[in-house]
Amino acid sequence: DADVTQTPRNRITKTGKRIMLECSQTKGHDRMYWYRQDPGLGLRLIYYSFDVKDINKGEISDGYSVSRQAQAKFSLSLESAIPNQTALYFCATSDPPGTGAQETQYFGPGTRLLVL
Amino acid sequence: AQSVTQLGSHVSVSEGALVLLRCNYSSSVPPYLFWYVQYPNQGLQLLLKYTTGATLVKGINGFEAEFKKSETSFHLTKPSAHMSDAAEYFCAVSDSGGSNYKLTFGKGTLLTVNP
Repeated sequence: DADVTQTPRNRITKTGKRIMLECSQTKGHDRMYWYRQDPGLGLRLIYYSFDVKDINKGEISDGYSVSRQAQAKFSLSLESAIPNQTALYFCATSDPPGTGAQETQYFGPGTRLLVL
Repeated sequence: AQSVTQLGSHVSVSEGALVLLRCNYSSSVPPYLFWYVQYPNQGLQLLLKYTTGATLVKGINGFEAEFKKSETSFHLTKPSAHMSDAAEYFCAVSDSGGSNYKLTFGKGTLLTVNP
């Protein structure tokens, strides 16, 4: 079984709809991240969480919100989806400092979102 | 602030030829550097990373990269390309100081391998 899972894998929605993307991990990592990938732009950080009570904005957080329901679960919400949020979304996890591999992030398979 | 520049959004090589994917970074503190690979319809997989120590690092699938501080570069190479190497490759940098470890990615280089 995959260590980092994302649901759904594909989603089509309409402008103005609320949508939630979910991420779960079995790696036991404290740190979780949400990125979006757009062709030619690489990956950009949306939000990140260092533990359940520590959530931080990334470089492109406008229009998004997150919820860290448990150590293993980190959800990304689009409160009112717009077409330019059409992208591939990735969740990632990493160990906290002091564990010897804290700098390495492990990625889920991605969620492909289309906003019409 | 950190940044990564990947030279060439698309690189095409013949099977058996040398693969060279270029990455230059900017960082105000000693960096940690990474190469990730993304195969079609898959997530990102770590190829290799440099944190400290030996500047030539070896990764999976025969890839290696050399950290050159004077050139602020971390180019990825493989002596002989295989068809299965066709993918998109991302260079990334994170801050080795503090406890942040946020990754900043380059825009990616799509590698095509021709038979």
